[in-house]
Amino acid sequence: AQSVSQHNHHVILSEAASLELGCNYSYGGTVNLFWYVQYPGQHLQLLLKYFSGDPLVKGIKGFEAEFIKSKFSFNLRKPSVQWSDTAEYFCAVRDDKIIFGKGTRLHILP
Amino acid sequence: EAQVTQNPRYLITVTGKKLTVTCSQNMNHEYMSWYRQDPGLGLRQIYYSMNVEVTDKGDVPEGYKVSRKEKRNFPLILESPSPNQTSLYFCASSLPSGTNTGELFFGEGSRLTVL
Repeated sequence: AQSVSQHNHHVILSEAASLELGCNYSYGGTVNLFWYVQYPGQHLQLLLKYFSGDPLVKGIKGFEAEFIKSKFSFNLRKPSVQWSDTAEYFCAVRDDKIIFGKGTRLHILP
Repeated sequence: EAQVTQNPRYLITVTGKKLTVTCSQNMNHEYMSWYRQDPGLGLRQIYYSMNVEVTDKGDVPEGYKVSRKEKRNFPLILESPSPNQTSLYFCASSLPSGTNTGELFFGEGSRLTVL
């Protein structure tokens, strides 16, 4: 069965620091990959997605992610975080059904 | 406006009292799914549906039922709720896998407390 692993459960950064959140999945076939963000008290919103083509995917709010097939990874990056990026981030993989990682809680210090 | 609508948004109930959480989407999506979100456990899939009359168990289906009689609706039924079903529930929908618009669209969530 497919699974998604997010390595960092809780990350604390200062504003302007660079961010990288790890995500690995265990499915060997063709997958679609996603990163979602959940701001406090809200539902999940799509940050970016990978289906095919360029493995470097750009999303909203300055986020990007790189799909590395050989490493089964889809890490999320942002060069300079802002206080408003404080949220929980979820990686997800889809073949037929969609499975989520356990999430990474990101806290940005002003 | 494209949306997924869940009701109720908040509910406090007692053990054993049957309840239904409704979910409706207006995007003509084939795929619909229910998740529960608990601290430290992320989103766990309860049931999903690939299309009308096609449903399948997710990772945590015990204690829940679903039905998909119409494309737009996917209700979640708790026949005899127990306190361990206290959680935040999300309904979501999408186009089928393999399409480049196959991301999930989420409802606002339903916070359920079972006493």
